[in-house]
Amino acid sequence: SQTIHQWPATLVQPVGSPLSLECTVEGTSNPNLYWYRQAAGRGLQLLFYSVGIGQISSEVPQNLSASRPQDRQFILSSKKLLLSDSGFYLCAWSYMRTNYGYTFGSGTRLTVV
Amino acid sequence: EDKVVQSPLSLVVHEGDTVTLNCSYEVTNFRSLLWYKQEKKAPTFLFMLTSSGIEKKSGRLSSILDKKELFSILNITATQTGDSAVYLCAVEARGADGLTFGKGTHLIIQP
Repeated sequence: SQTIHQWPATLVQPVGSPLSLECTVEGTSNPNLYWYRQAAGRGLQLLFYSVGIGQISSEVPQNLSASRPQDRQFILSSKKLLLSDSGFYLCAWSYMRTNYGYTFGSGTRLTVV
Repeated sequence: EDKVVQSPLSLVVHEGDTVTLNCSYEVTNFRSLLWYKQEKKAPTFLFMLTSSGIEKKSGRLSSILDKKELFSILNITATQTGDSAVYLCAVEARGADGLTFGKGTHLIIQP
């Protein structure tokens, strides 16, 4: 069965520090991978998606970047965090848009101080 | 720009009540509408709806889609405290990747 791992679960970082969040998927190959952010009082916002190694599409201009160095690995990064980067970050995967929707990781709660 | 509006934003009911959550949408080239339940961390998948008028059911939860009026409802009957969560509605467009989410309905079931 397919599983998705995301870490760390919580993170407190000072303004201006770098960020690296990692997401890996097991049990499937060539998944579509996504990074979402959920800010307080707002819905989930799609940040990046990837349909293959090295292929990244950005939905929203921001202080963040994403990379996909391996088929089942998706990384969210920032060189210098802003206070507005605080939020709940969720990784998700789908395969060929199946009838089972998108499966989410357990999320990372990021607080920038 | 695709848009999803959920109502109400929050709802408090007593155990045993029936609730109806609403989701209206605007999307170019609609493909599907999805409902998720989010307790503390990852949203968990409930339903995917692609056709109008066909009810999907799972235990006490059911959902239906109206593609003409561009909305969906999620019903929960005989609510239990374990149903307390944020319920998210999202739409997927053809030819696009990713989902557009509403802000969610925060449902609280009081014993």
